[in-house]
Amino acid sequence: QSALTQPASVSASPGQSITISCTGTSSDIGGYNHVSWFQQHPGKAPKLMIYEVSNRPSGVSDRFSGSKSGNTASLTISGLLAEDEADYYCSSYASSGTPWLFGGGTKVSVL
Amino acid sequence: EVQLVESGGGLVQPGGSLRLSCAASGFTFSSYWMSWVRQAPGKGLHWVAHINQDGSQTFYVDSVRGRFTISRDNAKNSLYLQLNSLRADDSAMYYCTRAGVWSWDYWGQGSLVTVSS
Repeated sequence: QSALTQPASVSASPGQSITISCTGTSSDIGGYNHVSWFQQHPGKAPKLMIYEVSNRPSGVSDRFSGSKSGNTASLTISGLLAEDEADYYCSSYASSGTPWLFGGGTKVSVL
Repeated sequence: EVQLVESGGGLVQPGGSLRLSCAASGFTFSSYWMSWVRQAPGKGLHWVAHINQDGSQTFYVDSVRGRFTISRDNAKNSLYLQLNSLRADDSAMYYCTRAGVWSWDYWGQGSLVTVSS
């Protein structure tokens, strides 16, 4: 059982936008802005897409954006491309128990 | 270019030990916290351990504390994870990661550990 809750799958057609949610508690997502999102293609290492809720590392497309409201963080992918088909994981710092938590992952399918 | 290259994984029997290594290059290794994150086959990501720049502070997930030891050698630009008393549920790909701004900004390709008799 993952500490942060993500939908198992999300799908959409090319060009559309999707939003992946990541729900935690006031001890993690709700209490800190240390939320990150990672993209993982099959057989590959994860890649950082968003850090500190809404910041993009250099080289990451501006089609990827992050936000947070209360205990829920969100990753939005706009103008969906075939190459965006991958698993996406959220993570957060937590003040109690395990200090670093991940979500269970969301499989994004481009129809 | 930042590179993290893991080695040392393999097949080990329950109760056995392994030592994972991670060779870092392309950045000032001694300036960064480093972590190990693991992923069981077909499953999600889980943080395992964290070490500060000079190795004086280490943190572990409860399930590995007392069995795993994270360490580093800044002179060799290397990160290590000693895995002892291995169990079947420790089977996973182990990723060496660089800790950036409250996140992990670079990941190695992983080292596979399989615990089975």
